[in-house]
Amino acid sequence: KQEVTQIPAALSVPEGENLVLNCSFTDSAIYNLQWFRQDPGKGLTSLLLIQSSQREQTSGRLNASLDKSSGRSTLYIAASQPGDSATYLCAGGSYNQGGKLIFGQGTELSVKP
Amino acid sequence: EAQVTQNPRYLITVTGKKLTVTCSQNMNHEYMSWYRQDPGLGLRQIYYSMNVEVTDKGDVPEGYKVSRKEKRNFPLILESPSPNQTSLYFCASSSDRVNEQYFGPGTRLTVT
Repeated sequence: KQEVTQIPAALSVPEGENLVLNCSFTDSAIYNLQWFRQDPGKGLTSLLLIQSSQREQTSGRLNASLDKSSGRSTLYIAASQPGDSATYLCAGGSYNQGGKLIFGQGTELSVKP
Repeated sequence: EAQVTQNPRYLITVTGKKLTVTCSQNMNHEYMSWYRQDPGLGLRQIYYSMNVEVTDKGDVPEGYKVSRKEKRNFPLILESPSPNQTSLYFCASSSDRVNEQYFGPGTRLTVT
């Protein structure tokens, strides 16, 4: 059964820092890994999707990588800004899980001015 | 604008009073699903649909019903809501299960 874990649960950094959020999964039979952002009380905004055949995806200051063999994905945020403050969720879609996304608990990021 | 919409956004109701949360997408997506989000438990899938008239249970289907009569709509039905169904509900859609999923804004449901 697929389990997704995100470390750390919370992170506070000063503005301008580069940072890495971690996501690990137990079932390597994933077909994709998706990173989301969630602002308090709001919906989920898709940030990046990495298909199982890909190693990484980039969008602006964000870069996500996927290593199926080690069961890990990372989200790299360059030059962090206060507007990046939110909860970041990773979710894996597994062939063995009937098509649903299995979500991690999220990392709550706070970027201080 | 491509989007997933949900209604209502907020709902307070009483135990046992049937309710429906609507979900609609304008992207011609075949795959749609419902999730609930609870503190400490994260997001869990309730039901999903691969296409019109094709639905299946997710992780936490008890107490919920769904239907998919049209491609764009995927309503979530609570026939006899109970307080343990108080949660934040999200609808999502994608062109198929392996592609990017788009989420609606959420429906905050309180059952008293």
